[in-house]
Amino acid sequence: DVKVTQSSRYLVKRTGEKVFLECVQDMDHENMFWYRQDPGLGLRLIYFSYDVKMKEKGDIPEGYSVSREKKERFSLILESASTNQTSMYLCASNKQGSGLREQFFGPGTRLTVL
Amino acid sequence: GENVEQHPSTLSVQEGDSAVIKCTYSDSASNYFPWYKQELGKGPQLIIDIRSNVGEKKDQRIAVTLNKTAKHFSLHITETQPEDSAVYFCAASNSPGFQKLVFGTGTRLLVSP
Repeated sequence: DVKVTQSSRYLVKRTGEKVFLECVQDMDHENMFWYRQDPGLGLRLIYFSYDVKMKEKGDIPEGYSVSREKKERFSLILESASTNQTSMYLCASNKQGSGLREQFFGPGTRLTVL
Repeated sequence: GENVEQHPSTLSVQEGDSAVIKCTYSDSASNYFPWYKQELGKGPQLIIDIRSNVGEKKDQRIAVTLNKTAKHFSLHITETQPEDSAVYFCAASNSPGFQKLVFGTGTRLLVSP
């Protein structure tokens, strides 16, 4: 059974803190993605990675960075958390290749920044 | 870049009725259109997808139609059941290998028994 796991379901942090969100997939997928989900805005892509140590900016990368040191793990980093980064964060992965495009999502991390 | 609009934002139907969710996209180069279902407390899950060389695709009670000329695509659910209650997202992709998706804003479907 395919699986994408995220380190926390709920997280509460203070403004200015450095925050790490971790995502692990066990499907040997090349591609991994970080989205944020906000009511009325849908899912917006923050960053994605198509290989170890490779990353590309998505539509809303400001205020975020990522790290992919191992194929199965993709981390989202908030260098200095702000209240406008309070949101649901979803990690996803999929296999490279035009015939295998389904993205598999983790359950999400609801981050609150106070 | 691509922009995807989705309507309605909420939809309430009686069990057994049909439900239709509509999306429009802006980039004529988009060629892959998936639909995801998100149940409470879970991540989105792919339920059906369509490529731009196909006008319609069915899978049991769900179907997707695509009008490339008008840049519209729609999700149709027939004989709705309470377990169909969820948030549905459409998406579009024009990237090589369809890796990058641009999502719509979501539709909350409530099916009442």
